[in-house]
Amino acid sequence: GENVEQHPSTLSVQEGDSAVIKCTYSDSASNYFPWYKQELGKRPQLIIDIRSNVGEKKDQRIAVTLNKTAKHFSLHITETQPEDSAVYFCAASSPGGGNKLTFGTGTQLKVEL
Amino acid sequence: EAEVAQSPRYKITEKSQAVAFWCDPISGHATLYWYRQILGQGPELLVQFQDESVVDDSQLPKDRFSAERLKGVDSTLKIQPAELGDSAMYLCASSLVGDRRRTDTQYFGPGTRLTVL
Repeated sequence: GENVEQHPSTLSVQEGDSAVIKCTYSDSASNYFPWYKQELGKRPQLIIDIRSNVGEKKDQRIAVTLNKTAKHFSLHITETQPEDSAVYFCAASSPGGGNKLTFGTGTQLKVEL
Repeated sequence: EAEVAQSPRYKITEKSQAVAFWCDPISGHATLYWYRQILGQGPELLVQFQDESVVDDSQLPKDRFSAERLKGVDSTLKIQPAELGDSAMYLCASSLVGDRRRTDTQYFGPGTRLTVL
């Protein structure tokens, strides 16, 4: 089955700096890669996703890049703000797997003032 | 904006007792998922429904866990008997279609935090 690895497990940045979180996946058939943000005690919320026919997608301060050859994808947050502090999860899904999501282990992002 | 609803939000039980969690997906969503999230880890799929049918329960510990979605709308996840290792957040999610041709966005509920003493 699919295996998703996520790094780093914790990330601390100064407000206004950029943050990058990286994930690798094992199933070359995976074609959908969402990123979820989870604040303490709250539900995971989708912040951005990308499909395998696209190499990059941007939404304001958030961008995701996908390298299908290397089987890795990354989340980029620019101009970080304190409210960006949360746990971020990457995930991957493949049609052969019934479209279930396999999640990474999460990255605790802390944006310091 | 429509959201996935879950209840209860918190549940404390003693080991060997039975517990049940309820999920109401977003209206019109055909696919429903139950995930377990252990503290510090990502969610792991327990069971996936397409309408009222189970399409994936390969990670569901069937000796103690059961799930149903009788009318293809809301769903119940049951644990009997509960064990100490079952302490976790149980998340429900739903997506519009989720068939093999395309992966749709999964929307998560607030979860049920289970503590087994």
